[in-house]
Amino acid sequence: SAVISQKPSRDICQRGTSLTIQCQVDSQVTMMFWYRQQPGQSLTLIATANQGSEATYESGFVIDKFPISRPNLTFSTLTVSNMSPEDSSIYLCSVEGGGGGEKLFFGSGTQLSVL
Amino acid sequence: GNSVTQMEGPVTLSEEAFLTINCTYTATGYPSLFWYVQYPGEGLQLLLKATKADDKGSNKGFEATYRKETTSFHLEKGSVQVSDSAVYFCAPNAGGTSYGKLTFGQGTILTVHP
Repeated sequence: SAVISQKPSRDICQRGTSLTIQCQVDSQVTMMFWYRQQPGQSLTLIATANQGSEATYESGFVIDKFPISRPNLTFSTLTVSNMSPEDSSIYLCSVEGGGGGEKLFFGSGTQLSVL
Repeated sequence: GNSVTQMEGPVTLSEEAFLTINCTYTATGYPSLFWYVQYPGEGLQLLLKATKADDKGSNKGFEATYRKETTSFHLEKGSVQVSDSAVYFCAPNAGGTSYGKLTFGQGTILTVHP
């Protein structure tokens, strides 16, 4: 299993500012995933972060808005840039684990509110 | 890309009632299928999975069978408990090497009363 620590757990931010979310895993993992859960909606994959390469973004998400760092095999950050109220969501970090890598472990999430 | 249609909630049941949460999907290729659960105040965690047609995933009394012909993965439990109150998400993955790329259903809120 993998234990994921995500910080901050929640934050309230002003419009136009940026917030960086940190994700720390207790073991080395190749791929890390960032998801977003908007209020009352399901989870949507933002991007996949591989160590040593540029993150791969899903349709509708761009690097300028959601820059991601992946400096080593246990850590990643997601920045939500130039925030607007529409960015208010829960942001979740996840990693693969288990036999065959087909099980995802999730962090507890960062609840972001933008005023 | 993949898409998921999940039974809308909220679902409210009495303890020991039978539970079914429907899930159908569209996907290219042969995805693995997952049910994830989010208990109140906790993070998302895997409940069960099935990796190929006719596989049955099971855990904590819950079951779901991978039905390729109907592209469905319905979640069932014969006798629910109050502790099963949670949000349940159906999710196929992208298949191949993209294990972690899940497409989540909208989630079904289950409340079980004593």
